[in-house]
Amino acid sequence: QVQLQESGPGLVRPSGTLSLTCAVSGGSITNNNWWSWVRQSPGKGLEWIGEINESGSTEYNPSLKSRVTISVDKSKNQFSLKLTAVTAADTAVYYCVRTSSGGNWFGPWGQGTLVTVSS
Amino acid sequence: DIQMTQSPSSVYASVGDRVTITCRASQQVSSWLAWYQQKPGKAPELLIYSASTLQTGVPSRFSGSGSGTDFTLTITSLQPEDFASYYCQQAVSFPWTFGPGTRLEIK
Repeated sequence: QVQLQESGPGLVRPSGTLSLTCAVSGGSITNNNWWSWVRQSPGKGLEWIGEINESGSTEYNPSLKSRVTISVDKSKNQFSLKLTAVTAADTAVYYCVRTSSGGNWFGPWGQGTLVTVSS
Repeated sequence: DIQMTQSPSSVYASVGDRVTITCRASQQVSSWLAWYQQKPGKAPELLIYSASTLQTGVPSRFSGSGSGTDFTLTITSLQPEDFASYYCQQAVSFPWTFGPGTRLEIK
């Protein structure tokens, strides 16, 4: 059974870069799936950030596209998120999740990691 | 972007009750709709996809219906573990978008 686990700093300074990694276990990241980042903040609910496949092809939410980079490391069976120029509005719980190859649904999810943007 | 709305935003019910939550999309999404359950402090979990197909392991008291722009999630005979938040999500066009959620609370 595929499991996902986020890791990265819980505190980022304003104007800095948020960097998170998602380790995939129990299955290969190259198994014809897409892999997404979704965040959840009290003000905006659930927000899809973007996704990547094993070939490195990406799709991003236009609202964040100018600041987001998602990458994949097949050798480590993981994928990563970078969000630049962060502000307090980027404070949220960040989830990594598999996007189903059959229909663009999300599951399974990582447990989530809270990232706070503050000086 | 396709905007998703849900009603009600919160609902109070008792164990054994039947509850219906509605989700509306700002554009046609056919049956490209999913429902998620989220408990406090936990990640969302996929309940239903393709508007009406139960994810493996989801109890049959959960059901989904609808197509186009209007959808419903129904829970019959509420159990204590069902008190949670529920979100819909459209999966027809980028960016994937979620509804604001419905909080199901114990009366």
